[in-house]
Amino acid sequence: NAGVTQTPKFRILKIGQSMTLQCAQDMNHNYMYWYRQDPGMGLKLIYYSVGAGITDKGEVPNGYNVSRSTTEDFPLRLELAAPSQTSVYFCASSWEREQFFGPGTRLTVL
Amino acid sequence: QKEVEQNSGPLSVPEGAIASLNCTYSDRGSQSFFWYRQYSGKSPELIMFIYSNGDKEDGRFTAQLNKASQYVSLLIRDSQPSDSATYLCAVPGWGKLIFGQGTELSVKP
Repeated sequence: NAGVTQTPKFRILKIGQSMTLQCAQDMNHNYMYWYRQDPGMGLKLIYYSVGAGITDKGEVPNGYNVSRSTTEDFPLRLELAAPSQTSVYFCASSWEREQFFGPGTRLTVL
Repeated sequence: QKEVEQNSGPLSVPEGAIASLNCTYSDRGSQSFFWYRQYSGKSPELIMFIYSNGDKEDGRFTAQLNKASQYVSLLIRDSQPSDSATYLCAVPGWGKLIFGQGTELSVKP
C-alpha cells in the first residue's frame, strides 16, 4: 500500500514553461486535493475532486488546471509558469474527513 | 467561508514543559476539528481529532474543545525536542478541510 504518491519530487521551470504534477493514490479514496504551501505559511487549496469526473476550485485556482479521469489519479497542470508559482505542492486524498498527504513536489520557477 | 485562525509563533518551550497551541474558528456549526503536525520539509500528518466538547487525550497529547467560545487547543505534555514542528488546525468544510496557517513549535533541550 503506497498511499499517496507524487512525482516529481523537485523541478525547476523557466518562466512560461508548462508542466504536470502527478498524484496517485491506491486507497480507493473518492476525495482528492491539491494544496500549495509557501515558506512559513499554511496550506492553500488549489483544486479538489469529490470523485472521478468531478472537480472544483479551491482558494487559489488561477494558473492551474486539473482533471480526474480515474479514482486513482489527480494530475495538476501548470500552464505558463510564473515566479509566483514557486512553492511546495502537496496532493492529498481522503475517504471521509481525515486527509492523507503525499510527500510533496518542490517547484521553483525562474 | 469558514475561517480558522492560529498564532503563527514561533512558540518556544523548554524540554519537559507543557506546550499549548490554540486555534479559533468562525463557524459555530463546525462539529469536528483536526490537528496535523508537519515537520520541516515533510508533509502534514494527522495526530488528533476531536468531535465533542471537553478533552480528548492520546498519550502526551490532549485536544480541548470549547464550542461556546469557538476555540480548540492542543496541549503537549512533557515536550520533547522531537515535538518541534508546525502544528496545523483544520475544520471540515463541504468536501474539504479548512486549515489554519499553523503554529511553529520549538522545544529547547
